[in-house]
Amino acid sequence: QLQLQESGPGLVKPSETLSLTCAVSGGSFTSPVHYWGWIRQPPGKGLEWIASIYYTGSTLYSPSLKSRVTLSVDTSRSQFSLKLNSVTAADTAVYYCARDWRGSFDSWGQGTLVSVSS
Amino acid sequence: DIQMTQSPSSLSASVGDRVTITCQASQDISKFLNWYQQKPGKAPKLLIYDASNLETGVPSRFSGGGSGTDFTFTISSLQPEDIATYYCQSYDNLPDRAFGQGTKVEIK
Repeated sequence: QLQLQESGPGLVKPSETLSLTCAVSGGSFTSPVHYWGWIRQPPGKGLEWIASIYYTGSTLYSPSLKSRVTLSVDTSRSQFSLKLNSVTAADTAVYYCARDWRGSFDSWGQGTLVSVSS
Repeated sequence: DIQMTQSPSSLSASVGDRVTITCQASQDISKFLNWYQQKPGKAPKLLIYDASNLETGVPSRFSGGGSGTDFTFTISSLQPEDIATYYCQSYDNLPDRAFGQGTKVEIK
């Protein structure tokens, strides 16, 4: 059973960088048919795709967030990470990591709430 | 960027009713369209991929259809456990993944 688990600070100050990591277990992190993605959901609002990364490090970015997002991957630990810089209150959200199969998110982490506040 | 317009934003129906949600893409996305169910406090769950393919283990009362720019999601007989918010999501070769605004389904 594939499991994904997000981790990282729950509070980030405005203008700083949000950093999250997703640990993958119970499945192949280096699967040739899967990317690994990040999706966020502001409180009470809808879902927004952020970016996805292949185990080789190849990345796909949302056009609206591309300038502020960096993804990385650590295959030795079966983990991938998100960095979002210059955060504002609008970046407050539950951040989910998920397995991205041809653009379909078929397995999700439980999500982690990140608040942006001074 | 692809924009997905989902309607209605909310609906209320009785147990056993047929429920239909629509999703319109701002450009032709062929059949690259997924549907998710999200219950309060939980992560979304993929129900349907490629517009009409049921994910393994998903009850057959859920179905999807459409292609190009216009898509539908149907619950043939609404059950109490179907209370949730449903999202459409497109994907393509550009690449981009865009979600609709969501439809909250409640029991009347």
